[in-house]
Amino acid sequence: AQSVTQPDIHITVSEGASLELRCNYSYGATPYLFWYVQSPGQGLQLLLKYFSGDTLVQGIKGFEAEFKRSQSSFNLRKPSVHWSDAAEYFCAVGQSQGGSEKLVFGKGTKLTVNP
Amino acid sequence: EAGVVQSPRYKIIEKKQPVAFWCNPISGHNTLYWYLQNLGQGPELLIRYENEEAVDDSQLPKDRFSAERLKGVDSTLKIQPAELGDSAVYLCASSLSTVTDTQYFGPGTRLTVL
Repeated sequence: AQSVTQPDIHITVSEGASLELRCNYSYGATPYLFWYVQSPGQGLQLLLKYFSGDTLVQGIKGFEAEFKRSQSSFNLRKPSVHWSDAAEYFCAVGQSQGGSEKLVFGKGTKLTVNP
Repeated sequence: EAGVVQSPRYKIIEKKQPVAFWCNPISGHNTLYWYLQNLGQGPELLIRYENEEAVDDSQLPKDRFSAERLKGVDSTLKIQPAELGDSAVYLCASSLSTVTDTQYFGPGTRLTVL
């Protein structure tokens, strides 16, 4: 079964510092990969997605992610974090198998930004 | 463009009571999803609709949960009777069609069962 692991439950960075959130997936075929962000009391918002092609994907709000097949990873990065980036971030893999289509989410990484 | 609308935003009930959640997807989106999000966890799919047909309900606990999507637009998720363990956030999402299409999420309904 497909699975997503986000090893870091909670990360704290200072405003202006760089950020990398880790995501590892388990999926037999070519994965569809997503990063979502969830602010308190809000629904999830898509930051970026990868289906094929260039392994470095640009998203909204200055985020990017790199797909590394050899490491089964899809880490999210941002060169300079803003206080408004404080939220919870979810990595997900899209499964399309046997008539079942769904996103399998990781448990999330909560980001705290210090002033 | 309006996003996915859910109501109520918060609901507090006593165990064994029934509860219902409503979702209005983005106009034109054929696919509608209901997810369950427990505290400290990522969302988990409960049911997926293609138009009015439930095409994947394998994760829906059918002894107490039911859902419908009349006319392929709005959807209702019901729990009867609710149990303490059902306390969670129930998220609705919609997309144009397949898993590769972006899913747009509503704000969710936070259910507390006392």
